[in-house]
Amino acid sequence: GAVVSQHPSRVICKSGTSVKIECRSLDFQATTMFWYRQFPKQSLMLMATSNEGSKATYEQGVEKDKFLINHASLTLSTLTVTSAHPEDSSFYICSARDGGKGSGELFFGEGSRLTVL
Amino acid sequence: QKEVEQDPGPLSVPEGAIVSLNCTYSNSAFQYFMWYRQYSRKGPELLMYTYSSGNKEDGRFTAQVDKSSKYISLFIRDSQPSDSATYLCAMSVNTGNQFYFGTGTSLTVIP
Repeated sequence: GAVVSQHPSRVICKSGTSVKIECRSLDFQATTMFWYRQFPKQSLMLMATSNEGSKATYEQGVEKDKFLINHASLTLSTLTVTSAHPEDSSFYICSARDGGKGSGELFFGEGSRLTVL
Repeated sequence: QKEVEQDPGPLSVPEGAIVSLNCTYSNSAFQYFMWYRQYSRKGPELLMYTYSSGNKEDGRFTAQVDKSSKYISLFIRDSQPSDSATYLCAMSVNTGNQFYFGTGTSLTVIP
């Protein structure tokens, strides 16, 4: 199946710093990518939809100035958590649709665990 | 009412058992249905992908969609300890829309 790579898989940072997470579709072009947040033993919470070449669409309650999303190419979207605080500690996961196939299957990255001290 | 309902479990079965996982939904416009397996601290892995109604089989896994009842199922035959994970259902209206996820069912297969 298609591969979506996410990096870094784990990051620890100090409060007040910014952290960037990358999401890459390795063998297909993804005009749309999605960013999720997942708390322990809970389901995925959609944060935003990232569209190549345009602004991301954020879900209600998600601060767009806090979670900056850039989708500069058809294979790369980035999520930057700005001025991170301990409450931002979570598991962040991206996904991308294989639009080229037409079937629109959704593939996920491996996830990035963020710990803010 | 949530778009997608899924019993969170936990579900515990002996090795070799047949496992049945289910989701119900409220939006009759959903046409694309997926099942994902998520191991602890990992991203979800696509298991099965079904369009519209009917059955789809892949090895020990069978996905069923009953659009008239707004009910989907994932069956796991001859369950193995390596099947222990959280299983998420997901669905969407078309290939351009976002997916709606169930909360996930935690499964443990006991050796």
